Amino acid sequence: DARVTQTPRHKVTEMGQEVTMRCQPILGHNTVFWYRQTMMQGLELLAYFRNRAPLDDSGMPKDRFSAEMPDATLATLKIQPSEPRDSAVYFCASGSARARTQETQYFGPGTRLLVL
Amino acid sequence: DAKTTQPNSMESNEEEPVHLPCNHSTISGTDYIHWYRQLPSQGPEYVIHGLTSNVNNRMASLAIAEDRKSSTLILHRATLRDAAVYYCILKPQEYPSGGGADGLTFGKGTHLIIQP
Repeated sequence: DARVTQTPRHKVTEMGQEVTMRCQPILGHNTVFWYRQTMMQGLELLAYFRNRAPLDDSGMPKDRFSAEMPDATLATLKIQPSEPRDSAVYFCASGSARARTQETQYFGPGTRLLVL
Repeated sequence: DAKTTQPNSMESNEEEPVHLPCNHSTISGTDYIHWYRQLPSQGPEYVIHGLTSNVNNRMASLAIAEDRKSSTLILHRATLRDAAVYYCILKPQEYPSGGGADGLTFGKGTHLIIQP
């Protein structure tokens, strides 16, 4: 049963520390999305990639967040330096885009981040 | 972007059908209607999507009004495992070039409570 995996599942860190979250998309999927969920804002899109190229990162705070896809099997989301307001659940999702078809997104279990 | 309106919460009894409404009066002709759900402590999960015709799959049915200004997700026989937040999302048709497929814009959704 193919699924998106995310590591770590939980992370507690202190303000100012660097945080790296990793995502392994479903094999063969060419689109990867990063979302963040908080009680106040709900689920928000941060960034997404297609064929490893960033297509949109307008939802991401540019000064401290960065997203990359070093290869087709790994996507990373990095926060440096982290702040308490970054505390949230971060979800990765992958999909398989084909022209003129609707892409279904498959979500990972999320990384629950707490910044003290 | 066209918006959707859903009730904050709904309650139903186990093994009874559930009809979850969604209003989208400003939907454009090329917007698809997607439904996702999020079970407690999990990532969102795709349920169903459609454009104009009613759709059925193993999880649910989607009934789309003739004018497309509203739709209803139907769970034919709810179980306790269907207790979740259900999101109705409009998604533009993908562009012919294959690019520009946006991420999902989640609203607050409907919190479905199932009573045993």
